[in-house]
Amino acid sequence: IAGITQAPTSQILAAGRRMTLRCTQDMRHNAMYWYRQDLGLGLRLIHYSNTAGTTGKGEVPDGYSVSRANTDDFPLTLASAVPSQTSVYFCASSDSGTSSYNEQFFGPGTRLTVL
Amino acid sequence: GQNIDQPTEMTATEGAIVQINCTYQTSGFNGLFWYQQHAGEAPTFLSYNVLDGLEEKGRFSSFLSRSKGYSYLLLKELQMKDSASYLCAATDSNYQLIWGAGTKLIIKP
Repeated sequence: IAGITQAPTSQILAAGRRMTLRCTQDMRHNAMYWYRQDLGLGLRLIHYSNTAGTTGKGEVPDGYSVSRANTDDFPLTLASAVPSQTSVYFCASSDSGTSSYNEQFFGPGTRLTVL
Repeated sequence: GQNIDQPTEMTATEGAIVQINCTYQTSGFNGLFWYQQHAGEAPTFLSYNVLDGLEEKGRFSSFLSRSKGYSYLLLKELQMKDSASYLCAATDSNYQLIWGAGTKLIIKP
């Protein structure tokens, strides 16, 4: 099935633990993104990648890291989780991250709770 | 700074028309997107405007005025399934999307 998958669907995590959220797309899109969505706030960009092998920081990158070893996968790692990282995390992809028409396709999201 | 403003919540009646407004302020501008997001689900693409004017797509239309930094999404013949949040996002000079907080639309029978 074409699209973006994310894993896990939800997770409860103890503060201080390390966690990797997985994201895979099969649309051969060049660009991929990680957002967090909190109640009352818009989607906020954490990190992005315009092409395999490159990554960039978004609006709220602190406490998160990413890698883009290939076109399909874009994992997000929380090195040492804190309660303020409780959120819904969406992975997205687009054909190009460097053009004005940047329609992004979203995965189903990961609901993360840090206690 | 960069900012997107849209109303937090709106209520409309089934079968009616509703207009959701969005104003934006970004460093550079390369187009405006509208997305729909049902509760507990991912956002899905509705429309894109880069030139001034109205783009119509079935029951949904989107308007853009670049000089005013303003857009609206018009939903006609409202159906219960249109109950969702509607997200406005502007593309800045780095081609990143800057998102509004979303407008929750409640449809009443």
